[in-house]
Amino acid sequence: GQNIDQPTEMTATEGAIVQINCTYQTSGFNGLFWYQQHAGEAPTFLSYNVLDGLEEKGRFSSFLSRSKGYSYLLLKELQMKDSASYLCAVSLSYNTDKLIFGTGTRLQVFP
Amino acid sequence: GAGVSQSPSNKVTEKGKDVELRCDPISGHTALYWYRQSLGQGLEFLIYFQGNSAPDKSGLPSDRFSAERTGGSVSTLTIQRTQQEDSAVYLCASSFAGTPNTEAFFGQGTRLTVV
Repeated sequence: GQNIDQPTEMTATEGAIVQINCTYQTSGFNGLFWYQQHAGEAPTFLSYNVLDGLEEKGRFSSFLSRSKGYSYLLLKELQMKDSASYLCAVSLSYNTDKLIFGTGTRLQVFP
Repeated sequence: GAGVSQSPSNKVTEKGKDVELRCDPISGHTALYWYRQSLGQGLEFLIYFQGNSAPDKSGLPSDRFSAERTGGSVSTLTIQRTQQEDSAVYLCASSFAGTPNTEAFFGQGTRLTVV
């Protein structure tokens, strides 16, 4: 089966840095995605990693280690609007693009 | 439209009735996904389409669930003889398949309540 694990909940303070981890054990791998989902809304794309290393996009960065089956999403200079669920998803193969999601990490940012 | 469109946005149905949920993907997107999300939970994969064919139906919870896609575009998810445990938000997403960095774009979902 496919296994994607994330912490269920995290809290942080406005202006701080938070790291959300994701570990995966899947039958295939064609990249790892991070999505943000505000309560009652659809998920929106944040980042994509297919090679090992760090991808930086403004306040958000995502890291991948394929040999360890591990990724993290780093959020800097946290803002109240960053309170949301963060979903890690693995694309299983090049041809099918099947996306399997973890259960998500609910992040609460406090003033 | 420019995004993924789902209808209806909300559906309340009586237990035992059949429901149809519709998804209009972004024009030109060949891959289409259906997911189910229960309150406070992650996304549960239901089915995936590549064009009009469904290479992976492994996530459909039971034979009461079926889906089709026509013209490589619109998809319909049908739930027969609905049960209360079917209550959830049903999300549809689409993407360009077969190329790297193909992010999936989600619709706003259909909130299904079975009473």
